[in-house]
Amino acid sequence: RKEVEQDPGPFNVPEGATVAFNCTYSNSASQSFFWYRQDCRKEPKLLMSVYSSGNEDGRFTAQLNRASQYISLLIRDSKLSDSATYLCVVNAIEGGGNKLTFGTGTQLKVEL
Amino acid sequence: DGGITQSPKYLFRKEGQNVTLSCEQNLNHDAMYWYRQDPGQGLRLIYYSQIVNDFQKGDIAEGYSVSREKKESFPLTVTSAQKNPTAFYLCASSMTGLSYEQYFGPGTRLTVT
Repeated sequence: RKEVEQDPGPFNVPEGATVAFNCTYSNSASQSFFWYRQDCRKEPKLLMSVYSSGNEDGRFTAQLNRASQYISLLIRDSKLSDSATYLCVVNAIEGGGNKLTFGTGTQLKVEL
Repeated sequence: DGGITQSPKYLFRKEGQNVTLSCEQNLNHDAMYWYRQDPGQGLRLIYYSQIVNDFQKGDIAEGYSVSREKKESFPLTVTSAQKNPTAFYLCASSMTGLSYEQYFGPGTRLTVT
């Protein structure tokens, strides 16, 4: 089982739609969680951190379910500019170091 | 402007040659990281450094070497021992501590023929 699993997609949605991605992680010791966005042939950029109580940033909402070991990202009112790959990232202390484990990403395509 | 720079953006090398990728940050971050990304795969950690003059192997360190002589700089050398060096290489930095996110440079695309 992969440490961090995501549905690769692509998710093809019309502009204005609401879309949700889930991500599961296997390390129960994981303590920090993030969503990154990666555009084609570019570096990943932090979209938002995910807090235990859930958090919202404009059209984006992130949720964490520790019991089931998954995190989610909800995008409301999708824009064409939201088209990208969304990476689920999990952080845990390992061997004294701060280790990030990346999912392979979920591709979103927002269409007219 | 604060940020992470990587150079060059594209790099072409012949098989059997060592090549060094540059990574510089002016964010005053203690920790720096090197990843590679291959199509259809997540980022994989090559090496990381939590402090100057110290670094640790990541998940795929074989065929790579690093140095951390200055806080701002963390160059990666891809040696001829690396069997599949063609990839997108990403450098990142962060503050130390579990909850801190990592910030990435623009990456270097290395092609070895």
